[in-house]
Amino acid sequence: EAGVAQSPRYKIIEKRQSVAFWCNPISGHATLYWYQQILGQGPKLLIQFQNNGVVDDSQLPKDRFSAERLKGVDSTLKIQPAKLEDSAVYLCASSQGAGYEAFFGQGTRLTVV
Amino acid sequence: GDSVTQMEGPVTLSEEAFLTINCTYTATGYPSLFWYVQYPGEGLQLLLKATKADDKGSNKGFEATYRKETTSFHLEKGSVQVSDSAVYFCALSDPNAGGTSYGKLTFGQGTILTVHP
Repeated sequence: EAGVAQSPRYKIIEKRQSVAFWCNPISGHATLYWYQQILGQGPKLLIQFQNNGVVDDSQLPKDRFSAERLKGVDSTLKIQPAKLEDSAVYLCASSQGAGYEAFFGQGTRLTVV
Repeated sequence: GDSVTQMEGPVTLSEEAFLTINCTYTATGYPSLFWYVQYPGEGLQLLLKATKADDKGSNKGFEATYRKETTSFHLEKGSVQVSDSAVYFCALSDPNAGGTSYGKLTFGQGTILTVHP
């Protein structure tokens, strides 16, 4: 069974530029999560989708971050404009539904210089 | 709000030593508890879980017991191997966090384990 796919693996951008990350969840998984993991900290939830609807985006900095899940499958997370403090690993995870085991992708490491 | 606290600082052990990584939590409801592991260059993987008080989760020689009275979920292994070197995260999922956001994981800060031959 294919796992959660994320791209790119690494990205370096200058502050004030924009960047987008892509996630392809495990086939059939209804719930998709985006987490931000700053160096030395545990992952923090940014947004949770159930199919193509948002169920929790309370920790998403909406002035600069946006996310969508097209047709309830793939998802993109965008940052515009980026700040130095956005440097982190962005993890995508999916599960059959809320409360089921979440499977994580390898993450995208973003460096903002 | 919900929170998870892990023991501070990296842990360095010799092969075959006993491992304990402490984890305590705060939650408004009755959460499920998890340990995730992140091997170098790989994504987070579920190591073990427990869903109710006194449950013991176990996998690959690791164990953790859900202690509601002490709000703890300490990870233990009797004899570590070099291949156990990784970052370990304690996490919870609170069913009272709000119906549709159930499933959200709250993580501790992680503990780096290094095992030397």
